[in-house]
Amino acid sequence: GAGVSQSPSNKVTEKGKDVELRCDPISGHTALYWYRQSLGQGLEFLIYFQGNSAPDKSGLPSDRFSAERTGGSVSTLTIQRTQQEDSAVYLCASSPSGETQYFGPGTRLLVL
Amino acid sequence: GENVEQHPSTLSVQEGDSAVIKCTYSDSASNYFPWYKQELGKRPQLIIDIRSNVGEKKDQRIAVTLNKTAKHFSLHITETQPEDSAVYFCAATPRSASKIIFGSGTRLSIRP
Repeated sequence: GAGVSQSPSNKVTEKGKDVELRCDPISGHTALYWYRQSLGQGLEFLIYFQGNSAPDKSGLPSDRFSAERTGGSVSTLTIQRTQQEDSAVYLCASSPSGETQYFGPGTRLLVL
Repeated sequence: GENVEQHPSTLSVQEGDSAVIKCTYSDSASNYFPWYKQELGKRPQLIIDIRSNVGEKKDQRIAVTLNKTAKHFSLHITETQPEDSAVYFCAATPRSASKIIFGSGTRLSIRP
């Protein structure tokens, strides 16, 4: 079946612009996670959704970052007024139970 | 909250030898411990997992052991092959939440 998909796969933007990153989870998966991974680094947790609600937003780096999930499915991560330090790979993962996570291919964001 | 520490950060072994990666966790209520493998430029993928009611689990050349008393778990790879070269992440899931806490990762290199 279809796995987790993310779009765009690559995004180049100018400092100060807003960007939207999209995640389509596996159908039926109630849990959805966003992570950030800088080059050669680990997985930095950003936010977690259970259905449409976000019980844990503790990882969002600043108020420039926000995320929503509608219909218990697609999620969008928005970064406002992007900065160069926002450059990274943004990974989305979904899970049927909150245990095993299935990752998407990621969106590579470059802020010039 | 839960904290997961992973060692070593880098590991180089001769092809055919064994590799061991160790993780410790802080929350005694954690009950699910997955391991993910991330090849260069690709997404993390689950390779093996273990639950708190089991002490050891094997799948061909990989095995995971769990010591609940000491709150540590380890990944063992035997007869290492070039395709085992990757970054490996351990993780722990607290019983009270569905957010998985990842270790910082181990970069494993297999020398020919």
